[in-house]
Amino acid sequence: EVQLVQSGPEVKKPGESLRISCKASGYTFATYWIAWVRQMPGKGLEWMGIIYPGDSDTRYSPSFQGQVTISADKSISTAFLQWSSLKASDTAMYYCARFENAHSSAWLDYWGQGTLVTVSS
Amino acid sequence: DIQMTQSPSSLSASVGDRVTITCQASQDITTFLNWYQQKPGKPPTLLIYDASNLETGVPSRFSGSGSGTHFTFTITSLRPEDIATYYCQHYDSLPYSFGQGTKLEIK
Repeated sequence: EVQLVQSGPEVKKPGESLRISCKASGYTFATYWIAWVRQMPGKGLEWMGIIYPGDSDTRYSPSFQGQVTISADKSISTAFLQWSSLKASDTAMYYCARFENAHSSAWLDYWGQGTLVTVSS
Repeated sequence: DIQMTQSPSSLSASVGDRVTITCQASQDITTFLNWYQQKPGKPPTLLIYDASNLETGVPSRFSGSGSGTHFTFTITSLRPEDIATYYCQHYDSLPYSFGQGTKLEIK
């Protein structure tokens, strides 16, 4: 059974660093892209970026380029989303999701449960 | 980047109603479009892929159509469990952005 299990909720202060994780199981982690999606309180879904764990090829949305770092460690089947200096505006739920590519179709088929990040002084 | 414009942003309908949501892409994306359902406190789930293909296990009252820049998502007979927010998402070229969502409520 495919599962993506994300790390627990975080409460941080502005300026602090943070890394959240997404541990995959039930499939070959290295061969599927993993996407990260932000959902700010009461708002919609925003595509942040995507990583291919096999070679760590990473593509960021322009809105998030330079604001976060996406990485993956295929030896432990885990993807990461990292901030070096959090802002209050980073308060959101963050989802990881597996990106399935089949013929000419593609979709996010399995999602993590989400990690709530709260940044407040 | 491709922008996805979804409408309406919210919708109130009665059980049994036919509900339609539209999604417009800022450029031609052929049929590279998915629809997701998100219930409160939960991650999204895939309903429709490639504009009109029903994901396995999704009830047949859900359907999608369209190509190019204009897409439609329909629930033929609304049920109480369909209360959720619905999102379109393209996958033509990165970043694979989402529409702003349509919050569906029961009247």
